[in-house]
Amino acid sequence: DSGVTQTPKHLITATGQRVTLRCSPRSGDLSVYWYQQSLDQGLQFLIQYYNGEERAKGNILERFSAQQFPDLHSELNLSSLELGDSALYFCASSTSKSSYEQYFGPGTRLTVT
Amino acid sequence: ILNVEQSPQSLHVQEGDSTNFTCSFPSSNFYALHWYRWETAKSPKALFVMTLNGDEKKKGRISATLNTKEGYSYLYIKGSQPEDSATYLCAFHNDYKLSFGAGTTVTVRA
Repeated sequence: DSGVTQTPKHLITATGQRVTLRCSPRSGDLSVYWYQQSLDQGLQFLIQYYNGEERAKGNILERFSAQQFPDLHSELNLSSLELGDSALYFCASSTSKSSYEQYFGPGTRLTVT
Repeated sequence: ILNVEQSPQSLHVQEGDSTNFTCSFPSSNFYALHWYRWETAKSPKALFVMTLNGDEKKKGRISATLNTKEGYSYLYIKGSQPEDSATYLCAFHNDYKLSFGAGTTVTVRA
């Protein structure tokens, strides 16, 4: 157990809908990262927050957004969902802003039908 | 998009045999090279973070080497055991993000 928690574990929703994925980092970790793992692709970095502020952006679609709250938990919002958004979404955390060693949560499996 | 390649994509090893596989990455803007172990139905777990050219790291029967000048890293498993079966991911770390390879899936046959 990495100490990073993600909810929900599974999510099934329809195209066009909006969902929110939640992540709580390890105690003391200030950085949170979001990744997407699709069937045909490796882990794709989406976005990083450090202590409440956006630090780095990867291949994140405009339909997706994230934030990190004062208690350091983070939410990833996915809107206007498409079939291709079906994937495993991981959150990871680290102590520093430089992602030196990241601890991954168990992931949220999103299925868009 | 940073090109991080791992080969082979998969390999089968007899229990007790040793094996190794490769990660190649851009040799510019290097910050660190990470290795993760990802078991089925679990989340990736960090094995090594390597920063210096010529670095060698070891954890039990698993070790890794790093060549930043030519842009490659090897992961070695000595005396493979069934519990070593997993996908091994490498990730190239430039100044702000990790770019992951597709992984090498290792299956150890008893």
